[in-house]
Amino acid sequence: EDQVTQSPEALRLQEGESSSLNCSYTVSGLRGLFWYRQDPGKGPEFLFTLYSAGEEKEKERLKATLTKKESFLHITAPKPEDSATYLCAVRASKLTFGTGTRLQVTL
Amino acid sequence: EAGVAQSPRYKIIEKRQSVAFWCNPISGHATLYWYQQILGQGPKLLIQFQNNGVVDDSQLPKDRFSAERLKGVDSTLKIQPAKLEDSAVYLCASSLNLDFEQFFGPGTRLTVL
Repeated sequence: EDQVTQSPEALRLQEGESSSLNCSYTVSGLRGLFWYRQDPGKGPEFLFTLYSAGEEKEKERLKATLTKKESFLHITAPKPEDSATYLCAVRASKLTFGTGTRLQVTL
Repeated sequence: EAGVAQSPRYKIIEKRQSVAFWCNPISGHATLYWYQQILGQGPKLLIQFQNNGVVDDSQLPKDRFSAERLKGVDSTLKIQPAKLEDSAVYLCASSLNLDFEQFFGPGTRLTVL
C-alpha cells in the first residue's frame, strides 16, 4: 500500500529562520511528487512537481528536492505570509496525499 | 484564466438527508478529481475522472456516494443518505491530463447534524 508521511506535523519559525519540511514515501513506480500550499478555508495551491531523484525546483523562498525515498521543501528566510499548511502528494498507481505540515512564521 | 468553480461553498444538513455538490473544472482539463478533507488531515481521493470515464473510485463509499461527469466537463458529487462522519470539506480539482499538477477549487464545507 502506498504511504506518504510528512514531518514535522507543525513547525513554528521566527521570520528569517530557515528550515526544511520532509515528505517521505513508500510507493511502487513513482510517477510524480507534488507540493501544495493550503491556507485556512481555501483549496490547496500548486507549488512544485518533481519527477525523478536529483531533481530540484525553486520559487521565491521555497526550494523542493527529491530523492528515491523522500522530498524536502526548504524555506529560506521565511516571512509571516509563508504561514500555511504544506502538503505533499505522491502519484504512483494512485494519488496519495500526506497529512501536511502546519507552518507558522512569527515576527 | 478562470479557476475551478464549486458550489455551494457551505451546506448544513441533518443525517439521513441527501446533498449534492457541483464542480466546473478549468476549461480544457481532461482529468477531474473529488476529494474529501477532514479537519487536520490531507485530502483523500474519492473519485477521479478522465474525460467521461472513471479512472479510480476505489475509496468512494459507493453505498452512499455517487458522482458523474456529464460530457466530460462539469461534475456532481452526491451523498445519499448522509452520516455524521461525512462532515468535511469536499474539494474538486482538475488537471490538464493524468500525472499533471492539479488545480483546486475553494471547496464545499459540509456539516451533518
